[in-house]
Amino acid sequence: DAGVIQSPRHEVTEMGQEVTLRCKPISGHDYLFWYRQTMMRGLELLIYFNNNVPIDDSGMPEDRFSAKMPNASFSTLKIQPSEPRDSAVYFCASRRTGPYGYTFGSGTRLTVV
Amino acid sequence: AQSVTQPDIHITVSEGASLELRCNYSYGATPYLFWYVQSPGQGLQLLLKYFSGDTLVQGIKGFEAEFKRSQSSFNLRKPSVHWSDAAEYFCAVGTSSNTGKLIFGQGTTLQVKP
Repeated sequence: DAGVIQSPRHEVTEMGQEVTLRCKPISGHDYLFWYRQTMMRGLELLIYFNNNVPIDDSGMPEDRFSAKMPNASFSTLKIQPSEPRDSAVYFCASRRTGPYGYTFGSGTRLTVV
Repeated sequence: AQSVTQPDIHITVSEGASLELRCNYSYGATPYLFWYVQSPGQGLQLLLKYFSGDTLVQGIKGFEAEFKRSQSSFNLRKPSVHWSDAAEYFCAVGTSSNTGKLIFGQGTTLQVKP
């Protein structure tokens, strides 16, 4: 099992540009989560999906952020337009229904200059 | 709404000494509790979890945690710390084994002195 795969590992972009982060969950996992980690705010849940359907997006900071899960093996988090305050590490995680833990990807470190 | 408090932002212990990291949660029903570890530049790795049953749970790398409902706590322990245990540790609470949200504490950074 390759685990949760995120790409890219690092992204540096200019303010105003569109940024797309990608995630491949573990096969068979029916939940997918996007988290953001910053020094100031710690780990924040942005949105999560169950069976490809968004369940709770109350953590998405504003309309510049959007997430999709077109199928069970792929999800994207898009920021358009990006701002310097979006600089953070973005983690994707997945799990399957039941008494199981959440498996995290290695994260994408986003820097907006 | 559920929440998690890790009172200690930073802890330093000597190698070979025992360790206890504190975690307090707030949730009205039975919580589902987790401890994760994060090494610099890495993702989060699950150390252990509690869903039900025995309140003392064993995890990987020699860690254990005890769920105490009366104290709303889920403290992480290790009898003898190794230098490789230096990392950031996160306690987290979920509301159900069948729903999504996992809420994290602010984390405790562990430094190990030689």
